Amino acid sequence: KQEVTQIPAALSVPEGENLVLNCSFTDSAIYNLQWFRQDPGKGLTSLLLIQSSQREQTSGRLNASLDKSSGRSTLYIAASQPGDSATYLCAVHSGSARQLTFGSGTQLTVLP
Amino acid sequence: DAGVIQSPRHEVTEMGQEVTLRCKPISGHNSLFWYRQTMMRGLELLIYFNNNVPIDDSGMPEDRFSAKMPNASFSTLKIQPSEPRDSAVYFCASSLAPEVETQYFGPGTRLLVL
Repeated sequence: KQEVTQIPAALSVPEGENLVLNCSFTDSAIYNLQWFRQDPGKGLTSLLLIQSSQREQTSGRLNASLDKSSGRSTLYIAASQPGDSATYLCAVHSGSARQLTFGSGTQLTVLP
Repeated sequence: DAGVIQSPRHEVTEMGQEVTLRCKPISGHNSLFWYRQTMMRGLELLIYFNNNVPIDDSGMPEDRFSAKMPNASFSTLKIQPSEPRDSAVYFCASSLAPEVETQYFGPGTRLLVL
């Protein structure tokens, strides 16, 4: 059974700082890995999707990497802004049921 | 496109009552997922439909939960009878091709069972 772990559970940084969120998973037989953002009381918004054959994906100030063999992914946020404050969820797509298994998330606070 | 639509957005009910949650996926998407989010357990997949057919319902907690997808544009998740431990946010998501494309989530239904 796939298990996804995210470290740290919470992170507080001053505005402008670069930061890294970590995600690890136990079963490397994945289709893809996705990073989502969730604002309080809202649904999930997809940020980046990395296919199993890819090493990284970039979107604006966000860069996600994938090391499938070691079961790890990182989300790099450059020049953080207060608007980046949210919970970031890592999810791994695997298994015969094509299901997403989510980590518990990292709650990010960017202080002005 | 309006995105994934869920109704109601909030539901408060008493223990023992029947609850029906509704979802309209993005037009053209052939995969639909129901998730439940709680503080204790995070996000969990309840059931997955492909082309209106339930593929995996192993996440459905017990027989009190049932889900249907009568056509490509509508799905329901029903809880009967409801219990306080069912209180959670229920999300519906849809995708065109889950293996290569992301899942698009609805805003969720916040359920409180008293």
